[in-house]
Amino acid sequence: KQEVTQIPAALSVPEGENLVLNCSFTDSAIYNLQWFRQDPGKGLTSLLLIQSSQREQTSGRLNASLDKSSGRSTLYIAASQPGDSATYLCAVRNYGQNFVFGPGTRLSVLP
Amino acid sequence: DAGVIQSPRHEVTEMGQEVTLRCKPISGHNSLFWYRQTMMRGLELLIYFNNNVPIDDSGMPEDRFSAKMPNASFSTLKIQPSEPRDSAVYFCASLPIAGVTDTQYFGPGTRLTVL
Repeated sequence: KQEVTQIPAALSVPEGENLVLNCSFTDSAIYNLQWFRQDPGKGLTSLLLIQSSQREQTSGRLNASLDKSSGRSTLYIAASQPGDSATYLCAVRNYGQNFVFGPGTRLSVLP
Repeated sequence: DAGVIQSPRHEVTEMGQEVTLRCKPISGHNSLFWYRQTMMRGLELLIYFNNNVPIDDSGMPEDRFSAKMPNASFSTLKIQPSEPRDSAVYFCASLPIAGVTDTQYFGPGTRLTVL
């Protein structure tokens, strides 16, 4: 059974810092991995999707990497801003369509 | 497109009552997912449908929970009878096509409180 963990559970940084969020999964036979953002009281919004054959994806200040063999992904946020404050979840999609989500990392960027 | 629509946004009910949550997926999306989110257990997949057919309901906690998708534009999640431990935020998500590069689109969620 696929299990997804995320470290740290919470993170507080001053504005402008670069930061890294970590995601680990137990079964490397994945279809893809996604990073989502969730604002309080809202649904999830997809940030980046990495296919199993890819190593990384970039969108603006965000960069996500994938190492299937070690069961790890990282989300790098450059030059963090207060507007980046949210909970970030990674989700692994197994073959078929089953999605397994991590518990999330709660990020606070202080002005 | 209005995105995934869920109703109601908030529901407060008493233990033992029947609760029905509703979801309208994005038009043209073939797959629909129901999730439950709590502080203790995070985001859990309850059930998903492909082309209106339930594919995997192994995440449904018990027989009190049931889900239907009578057509491509509507799905319901019913809890009967409801219990306080069912209190959570329930999300519906839809997926365009069952391909590797497709992402899920989430609705705003229904916050359920069972007293």
